[in-house]
Amino acid sequence: DQQVKQNSPSLSVQEGRISILNCDYTNSMFDYFLWYKKYPAEGPTFLISISSIKDKNEDGRFTVFLNKSAKHLSLHIVPSQPGDSAVYFCAALRGATNKLIFGTGTLLAVQP
Amino acid sequence: DTEVTQTPKHLVMGMTNKKSLKCEQHMGHRAMYWYKQKAKKPPELMFVYSYEKLSINESVPSRFSPECPNSSLLNLHLHALQPEDSALYLCASSSWAGVTSTDTQYFGPGTRLTVL
Repeated sequence: DQQVKQNSPSLSVQEGRISILNCDYTNSMFDYFLWYKKYPAEGPTFLISISSIKDKNEDGRFTVFLNKSAKHLSLHIVPSQPGDSAVYFCAALRGATNKLIFGTGTLLAVQP
Repeated sequence: DTEVTQTPKHLVMGMTNKKSLKCEQHMGHRAMYWYKQKAKKPPELMFVYSYEKLSINESVPSRFSPECPNSSLLNLHLHALQPEDSALYLCASSSWAGVTSTDTQYFGPGTRLTVL
């Protein structure tokens, strides 16, 4: 049972435009969400997070939006840069546990 | 500084070998994790240590044996592995106060393991 889903396995965007990566979850008990960026054969790099008590969090070019009623979150990257090309994972935590559940990942390709 | 280090970077071993993966962090984090990642799949949790005690074992086969010698170090001892155990093994750490869920895990670069 995949509790965190990223339905787009890949996304291609032109440099300078907005990249929007989407993530859906099924477990309403999740209350902390994170986005990680991963290059091949490297560990995931933390990008940005959001608590369930918020609906938006912004850090530089990265903004995460959370819609709790729809059980949906999205990561916006503006403007997109070629160095942003990587696999992006959303992940979720439930309550006071430390079991991080990852989504299936979306491969972002930013074209120069 | 959010650095987690892992050694070795690459490891090739036979099915009868015994080897160990090592992970270290100096951020004062009290929770450390082992994940396994197969190609084109998300990382999957294997073990969690909280305050140097094993708190979660995700039904991992006994040929994988974790050890937490102190709050900065985490080892994964490998014995009698199978070729299907070949994967990227990731270590992570987090501050883990234990009463809040807003706990960010920081990952190391991983060890690429190949079992022949």
